[in-house]
Amino acid sequence: DSGVTQTPKHLITATGQRVTLRCSPRSGDLSVYWYQQSLDQGLQFLIQYYNGEERAKGNILERFSAQQFPDLHSELNLSSLELGDSALYFCASSVRGSFEETQYFGPGTRLLVL
Amino acid sequence: QKEVEQDPGPLSVPEGAIVSLNCTYSNSAFQYFMWYRQYSRKGPELLMYTYSSGNKEDGRFTAQVDKSSKYISLFIRDSQPSDSATYLCAMSAAGGSYIPTFGRGTSLIVHP
Repeated sequence: DSGVTQTPKHLITATGQRVTLRCSPRSGDLSVYWYQQSLDQGLQFLIQYYNGEERAKGNILERFSAQQFPDLHSELNLSSLELGDSALYFCASSVRGSFEETQYFGPGTRLLVL
Repeated sequence: QKEVEQDPGPLSVPEGAIVSLNCTYSNSAFQYFMWYRQYSRKGPELLMYTYSSGNKEDGRFTAQVDKSSKYISLFIRDSQPSDSATYLCAMSAAGGSYIPTFGRGTSLIVHP
């Protein structure tokens, strides 16, 4: 158990809908990272927050947004969902928010868009 | 050509074998190299982390980086069925945001 929690574990929704994925980092970690893992693209970095502020942005679509709250939990919002958004979404956390430090991954949210 | 190439496998070996997992890359700016292990239906966990070239050993695991060939390897000695998982390499460049680029992962099966 990494100490990172993600909810929900599974999500099934329809195209065009909007969903929110939630992540709670390990106690003491200030940074949260979001990743998407699909069969065809592999694991891809989406976005990073550190202590409430956006720090780095990867291959995140404009239909996706995220935020980190004062209690350090983070939410990833996915809107206007398409079939291709079906994937595993992972959250990870680290202490200082530097990519060269160890990131601890949560168990993921499996999203299926029908 | 993808920045990081990794054979998806599966690689099937008998228990006790030495396993060699590899990645090649094209971006010469990569200086941080990582190996993650991902069990089925779980998140990745960091196994090894190396900076620049050379070897790093941790128990049964050895990570090797050859920057001149743009080639990294993970060796697993005395492989166990519990090592059966997908192994992802990842790498990032210094001097920027260090955002890692991941390989697609190699599926390893160690059979008793």
